[in-house]
Amino acid sequence: NAGVTQTPKFQVLKTGQSMTLQCAQDMNHNSMYWYRQDPGMGLRLIYYSASEGTTDKGEVPNGYNVSRLNKREFSLRLESAAPSQTSVYFCASSVFPGALSSYNEQFFGPGTRLTVL
Amino acid sequence: TQLLEQSPQFLSIQEGENLTVYCNSSSVFSSLQWYRQEPGEGPVLLVTVVTGGEVKKLKRLTFQFGDARKDSSLHITAAQPGDTGLYLCAGRTDSWGKFQFGAGTQVVVTP
Repeated sequence: NAGVTQTPKFQVLKTGQSMTLQCAQDMNHNSMYWYRQDPGMGLRLIYYSASEGTTDKGEVPNGYNVSRLNKREFSLRLESAAPSQTSVYFCASSVFPGALSSYNEQFFGPGTRLTVL
Repeated sequence: TQLLEQSPQFLSIQEGENLTVYCNSSSVFSSLQWYRQEPGEGPVLLVTVVTGGEVKKLKRLTFQFGDARKDSSLHITAAQPGDTGLYLCAGRTDSWGKFQFGAGTQVVVTP
């Protein structure tokens, strides 16, 4: 099993360009997440999908959109990239959130390093 | 505003020494997790604690959840270079969904 895979690994964009970050998991997990990680800020949740067909905003959703394409895939789109979106982006998945399991381990992908000039 | 405050931000020690990192908040958590992240990789879960006062051990790592479920600590005994990494705590204040992460403690263990 590959676990959680992300593409691309690195990307450089110019301000105003758009792009989509891809994420896929092969663990049959219901929930998927997108985080960004910045120095001194830890991981901040951008969007999440508790189950196929649902998406919700996290802590820092402005400037991003997501699509839960199917149970395996969850993509993150930057419509008009800004330098403030320079960051490392992580996708994660978990079996299921919430009351069914307090031991809800999130499995993370290797990250996409995005620079916006 | 960071819900979870981790301290220290950076810790450099020699192999064989002990270390403790802390995760504090004014909020009560239903569960709290500790992750370790190595350079160029995503975080990997080390432990989840859910009961106030709970202590869990993972080889040389000891995790404690505060009695009031507002804080946690990670203690490493006889640290080894393989313990080098960014240690992140993540807490959930309700029983549904999202965890919030602290900024992390960067630990460097030199031979």
